[in-house]
This record gives sequence, C-alpha cells and structure tokens, in this order.
Amino acid sequence: KAGVTQTPRYLIKTRGQQVTLSCSPISGHRSVSWYQQTPGQGLQFLFEYFSETQRNKGNFPGRFSGRQFSNSRSEMNVSTLELGDSALYLCASSLVGSGGAADTQYFGPGTRLTVL
Amino acid sequence: QKEVEQNSGPLSVPEGAIASLNCTYSDRGSQSFFWYRQYSGKSPELIMSIYSNGDKEDGRFTAQLNKASQYVSLLIRDSQPSDSATYLCAVVGQGGSEKLVFGKGTKLTVNP
Repeated sequence: KAGVTQTPRYLIKTRGQQVTLSCSPISGHRSVSWYQQTPGQGLQFLFEYFSETQRNKGNFPGRFSGRQFSNSRSEMNVSTLELGDSALYLCASSLVGSGGAADTQYFGPGTRLTVL
Repeated sequence: QKEVEQNSGPLSVPEGAIASLNCTYSDRGSQSFFWYRQYSGKSPELIMSIYSNGDKEDGRFTAQLNKASQYVSLLIRDSQPSDSATYLCAVVGQGGSEKLVFGKGTKLTVNP
C-alpha cells in the first residue's frame, strides 16, 4: 500500500507570496492532519480534515488555511508569507481520525518551505 | 493549554545499553499515547503506541504508561547506532479527536 505523499518536497518563496502544498493520504484514510515543524517550536498542529470538513484547528493565524477534496486529498495554503513560516510542513493521514487503537497517524515525507 | 514535556537531551548511551526516554503530559483525559522516531531530515515514523496502563513490548522497544502519574516512557534495549534519532512523544487528548500534541523530542545518540 502506498504511503502518504506530499508535493512539492521543496519550495523557496519570498515574503508576501502565497504557497499551496498538497497531500495525498494512504488509500482508504479519510482523516488528514497538517503540522508545522521548526527547530524552536517542534511539531505543531495546524488543522485536521475529515470528510471535506475541518474538524480541528491549532493556534495559527488565518493566513494558514486548508481544504480536503472528496477523494481525501488535502491542500494547505499559506498567504502573505513571512520569514517565520520557513519550516517543514508535514501531513499525516489516518483511517477516521479517532485517535484510538488501530487508527494511527502516518506521516508523509514533508514539504520543506524556505521563505526569503 | 495541553502540553507534552520531554527532556530535550541529548541523551547519549553506549551500544548495547538500555536507553530510557521519558514524557509527561498535562491533560489527564488523554487517551492515546505514541512514540515516533525521527531521523535527521526525515519525517516521523511510528514505533510504539499504548492506550492502557502498564507495559507494552515490541521487539527491543517497551512503552510504559502510568495514567495516574501522567507519565509515559520508552525503553530501548540493546541500543544500536541505528537507533540514533530524535524520539517524539505524542498524545491524543480527551474527546477522541485526532489532534496529536507532540513533545519537542529527545535526541538520542548511541555510541559504537
């Protein structure tokens, strides 16, 4: 079974631009979560989507948004990029997002975003 | 604010020794607990999950959970240089929503 895939793997943008990242979950998984990882803050939860609906949201500004399509693929968008947005963006998928036994999250390889 | 705390390390152990990684969490209602391993430049990979008090063993790895003390640990027996990585503790909070809260990780180095 193919794992979680993310595109692109690397991105370089300048301040003020916007960016869209894509995540394809494991086949059959309906929950997709997004995380930001930086050396200083570690892994921080951005949001979670299930059945095309945002179900949970972390403490990030409104410049960070996302969506999920009917095939469970998800995108996240960051508008008006700031230098501090430079990070590894990870998505993770799970079956239904219950957090319970046998519903583990599996991570994709991540997208490394650099904002200049 | 739900928090997960880990010693940042670095933790250094000789090859063949037992590495002990610890994690505490603040949300008493937390239901699910995970240990992820992250090699430098790679994404986290799940190595252990535990849901009830006690020990859970998988090969050289043992996870221990004590909900009363809000404490979860990971023991790695017969540590190998390939175990050198950052170990992330993650907790799913009350309500069953898939919102993993991660600790900042403990960097483990196993010296040959």
